[in-house]
Amino acid sequence: QSALTQPRSVSGSPGQSVTISCAGTSRDVGGYNYVSWYQHHPGKAPKLIIYDTTKRPSGVPDRFSASKSGDTASLTISGLQAEDEAEYFCCSYAGSYLVLFGGGTQLTVL
Amino acid sequence: QVQLQESGPGLLKPSQTLSLTCTVSGGSINSGGYYWSWIRQHPGKGLEWIGYTYYGGNTYYNPSLKSRVFISADASKNQFSLELNSVTAADTAIYYCARETVLMGASDSWGRGTLVTVSS
Repeated sequence: QSALTQPRSVSGSPGQSVTISCAGTSRDVGGYNYVSWYQHHPGKAPKLIIYDTTKRPSGVPDRFSASKSGDTASLTISGLQAEDEAEYFCCSYAGSYLVLFGGGTQLTVL
Repeated sequence: QVQLQESGPGLLKPSQTLSLTCTVSGGSINSGGYYWSWIRQHPGKGLEWIGYTYYGGNTYYNPSLKSRVFISADASKNQFSLELNSVTAADTAIYYCARETVLMGASDSWGRGTLVTVSS
């Protein structure tokens, strides 16, 4: 199984919105509603921001939203803030107790 | 709130066995409802799932590593461990332990990671 495909980097100005894509196949992203997204600041523990493809854990701002269309999942961050600058990873269940991660996307807040 | 902390040697020689431990605090690994996972990140690359164990249940591994990896759990110490044998430079990575909540199907708690370098 190959890793999920994410853009290496995205950027936006404070207050703007950015969307990060996560492309998979029908055997993973497209086959299950078990996509999750993580925010990772260097030197810190990754933080879960989306689970079950579209749900936010308690405490995650509603500026973070997610969706899926076919084999591609997307994370949208609206009202960008400086503290959103981080690396973002997607993750999907791929059947038979297999988990796949994306290559990660570095978000730069200009 | 549960916290996880990885520990183990940071430098190995090729062919040695990588052994890491994840100490869990603020929750019990035998409480049910969670998979206890190991994940790694090669330098400049994305995350790679290594495997997870359900305490008292089954353990599942990434097929690409299955022949070399073993994950175990010790409730008396509230720890779970990773062993990866016959390491090469390609196993140089930051290794994370994490807790995956079954109901969420996602890892809601992670350690900060520990860098393991394989070099002769």
